[in-house]
Amino acid sequence: KQEVTQIPAALSVPEGENLVLNCSFTDSAIYNLQWFRQDPGKGLTSLLLIQSSQREQTSGRLNASLDKSSGRSTLYIAASQPGDSATYLCAGSSGDKLTFGTGTRLAVRP
Amino acid sequence: GAVVSQHPSRVICKSGTSVKIECRSLDFQATTMFWYRQFPKQSLMLMATSNEGSKATYEQGVEKDKFLINHASLTLSTLTVTSAHPEDSSFYICSAKRDSLTEAFFGQGTRLTVV
Repeated sequence: KQEVTQIPAALSVPEGENLVLNCSFTDSAIYNLQWFRQDPGKGLTSLLLIQSSQREQTSGRLNASLDKSSGRSTLYIAASQPGDSATYLCAGSSGDKLTFGTGTRLAVRP
Repeated sequence: GAVVSQHPSRVICKSGTSVKIECRSLDFQATTMFWYRQFPKQSLMLMATSNEGSKATYEQGVEKDKFLINHASLTLSTLTVTSAHPEDSSFYICSAKRDSLTEAFFGQGTRLTVV
């Protein structure tokens, strides 16, 4: 059974810092890994999708990497802004199902 | 990205009544839709997987007679919470995928409060 863990659980940084969020998974037989953002009381916004054959994906200030052999993915946020404050969730896909991590609550201080 | 619309965003109902939540994929056909439940400050818990035209597959511990799922078309799935109780109060989120290998897109979520 797939288990997904995210470290740290919470993070507070000053505006402008570059930061890394970590995601680890136990079953390397994943089809893809997806990173999401969730604002309080809202649904999930898809940020990046990395297929199992890919190593990384980039979108604007976001870069996500995937290392299946070590069971790890990282989300890199460059030049963080207060508007980046949210909970970030990673999820591994095995077939149709997504298994979610526990999330990282990010606060970017002005 | 694709758009998934969930309605209503908030609902308050009395104990014993039933509540229906709709999930629509607006600009793509979703072969599979998923229903999740999220408790405060916790991650999403998959409740069931819904395939168009067939019965939903429920996760262990989820009562299928309490959480009725209907996937009548490739763009609509509904979750009905029957005989709701206060402990059913939660945040329910749906998602949809075109197929197994593609991105999952999520609805805005529904905050259900049972009084």
